[in-house]
Amino acid sequence: EPEVTQTPSHQVTQMGQEVILRCVPISNHLYFYWYRQILGQKVEFLVSFYNNEISEKSEIFDDQFSVERPDGSNFTLKIRSTKLEDSAMYFCASRALTYGYTFGSGTRLTVV
Amino acid sequence: TQLLEQSPQFLSIQEGENLTVYCNSSSVFSSLQWYRQEPGEGPVLLVTVVTGGEVKKLKRLTFQFGDARKDSSLHITAAQPGDTGLYLCAGGSGYALNFGKGTSLLVTP
Repeated sequence: EPEVTQTPSHQVTQMGQEVILRCVPISNHLYFYWYRQILGQKVEFLVSFYNNEISEKSEIFDDQFSVERPDGSNFTLKIRSTKLEDSAMYFCASRALTYGYTFGSGTRLTVV
Repeated sequence: TQLLEQSPQFLSIQEGENLTVYCNSSSVFSSLQWYRQEPGEGPVLLVTVVTGGEVKKLKRLTFQFGDARKDSSLHITAAQPGDTGLYLCAGGSGYALNFGKGTSLLVTP
């Protein structure tokens, strides 16, 4: 069964450093997303990406965040200057024209 | 932000029992999805409901979408230990999905 692949599975970074989280969505999907889940809290929407541009973003997705789909297969989330409160599981998801999302297994980001 | 309230927050039952968990909102959703999440993993889609009053069955799981498309329920018949996990509902009316906090289900043998 097709799956969304995320790397790395765990990233530890120092506060103020830049991180790039990588995702390979399902190849024929059209919509791409990043969500995050702080430990013990609910899954929160960050950003959606369609037709090579951001289609919607949440208040969390401020100027420190950016997304790219550089080569038609990878989908990346960059955090420019990490803060302690950015520590969370980050999930990439993709979907076709139907409603159902396929989520990756996530990247656990720990900012120290 | 459209809020989704899930109840109960925790549920511990014995194998063979039936259970129902609920997902409620004051907002109307164009679709509502149920996911199951294991610790340290991403949510896995169980079902999507889009029509008010719709009922979908997935083996021992029955999902219902409210007539007004503001609420949903998940009923599990004869629960098994393998049903243990976090059940999340998520509603969409645009590009974003809004998730509830989930119901954590424990089924003991």
